[in-house]
Amino acid sequence: GQQLNQSPQSMFIQEGEDVSMNCTSSSIFNTWLWYKQDPGEGPVLLIALYKAGELTSNGRLTAQFGITRKDSFLNISASIPSDVGIYFCAGQKWNNNDMRFGAGTRLTVKP
Amino acid sequence: GAVVSQHPSWVICKSGTSVKIECRSLDFQATTMFWYRQFPKQSLMLMATSNEGSKATYEQGVEKDKFLINHASLTLSTLTVTSAHPEDSSFYICSVQLAGASETQYFGPGTRLLVL
Repeated sequence: GQQLNQSPQSMFIQEGEDVSMNCTSSSIFNTWLWYKQDPGEGPVLLIALYKAGELTSNGRLTAQFGITRKDSFLNISASIPSDVGIYFCAGQKWNNNDMRFGAGTRLTVKP
Repeated sequence: GAVVSQHPSWVICKSGTSVKIECRSLDFQATTMFWYRQFPKQSLMLMATSNEGSKATYEQGVEKDKFLINHASLTLSTLTVTSAHPEDSSFYICSVQLAGASETQYFGPGTRLLVL
């Protein structure tokens, strides 16, 4: 199935800086989700978006569901060392159960 | 969210043997579970959708006779890698889907398989 285009592939930032990553697709999704995966662990859900244009926050994380339903972004403000990990976007459609994942953004935070 | 466990968390086996991985939904009855595979530094790739009481639906390119899935109850799905080979070494992750409007998936901690 189609994959999502996620960028950037990796980021190296200083503690305290803000982070932004995004996902785009050539097709429409009805749900966008953002997950974080630590090494050797399964992905953990950060934010779920269900409506076009929706802007949702979870602590220092903010994500938006694009108006066209073909994109989403995730922002992390005031990064801290424990933000290190791989962030995946995922898109889901109503007509099937499975999700499609982006390739991931590997975040490194320097203390 | 749902709590999902997997067992074992890691396994090393000889080439040609079969390995069974369990996925349990601890606090939620899941009619649908999913199995993913993740190679190093790559994203998750859906292998199959596991439906309680019926045959699993496999993604294109995934051999159903090699990756046997059994979803015998609302809280347990198993993935058996039959006649494992080194190229089957990977990180296998299951997820459960919450019924309802959100249909959000929650993932297990994963099982790392190394085939020697």
